[in-house]
Amino acid sequence: EDQVTQSPEALRLQEGESSSLNCSYTVSGLRGLFWYRQDPGKGPEFLFTLYSAGEEKEKERLKATLTKKESFLHITAPKPEDSATYLCAVQYNQGGKLIFGQGTELSVKP
Amino acid sequence: GAVVSQHPSRVICKSGTSVKIECRSLDFQATTMFWYRQFPKQSLMLMATSNEGSKATYEQGVEKDKFLINHASLTLSTLTVTSAHPEDSSFYICSARLPRGTGAQSNTGELFFGEGSRLTVL
Repeated sequence: EDQVTQSPEALRLQEGESSSLNCSYTVSGLRGLFWYRQDPGKGPEFLFTLYSAGEEKEKERLKATLTKKESFLHITAPKPEDSATYLCAVQYNQGGKLIFGQGTELSVKP
Repeated sequence: GAVVSQHPSRVICKSGTSVKIECRSLDFQATTMFWYRQFPKQSLMLMATSNEGSKATYEQGVEKDKFLINHASLTLSTLTVTSAHPEDSSFYICSARLPRGTGAQSNTGELFFGEGSRLTVL
């Protein structure tokens, strides 16, 4: 069964304390792995798309990496404004449908 | 990046009434849009795929007669929750896919989400 699992469910960090969020997936025929940020009461905000194992992408304090079984979202020296829920989603066919993980709720304290 | 707009952002209605939510792609044409719902502290669950000029494709367990989807133009899809009940209260989010040939890779296209619509049925 196609599945996307994120860990941890919640993560509390001190400002400046770097860490990583994990997204593991079991799908056949991966066509893309997406990372989104979601603030309370808002729609997901697009961060990255990764297409093949070994690919890496960066944006400010965030870096996303991809292997054949999982993706990591590394957060370097986070700030309180990085607090949000981070969602991972996988596209496995041409239709564009995504399977979402449960999300990781990140809280960064000053 | 691409912009997808939803309206209304919040709606409160009485049980038994119908509610329409609009999803617009503001700076690109979207032949395909997706409708999701999200319960508190849960992830997004795909409800249906909206195709311009044809019938929507619903996911298993989603009542197509209750959640009416119309994709009449390349920039607008609407979701109508008919005869709403309190259990339909949720956060409804649409997304639009960049057409093939745009984005980083032409076959996948990138998906952008609207701001979401919070439905509360009393």
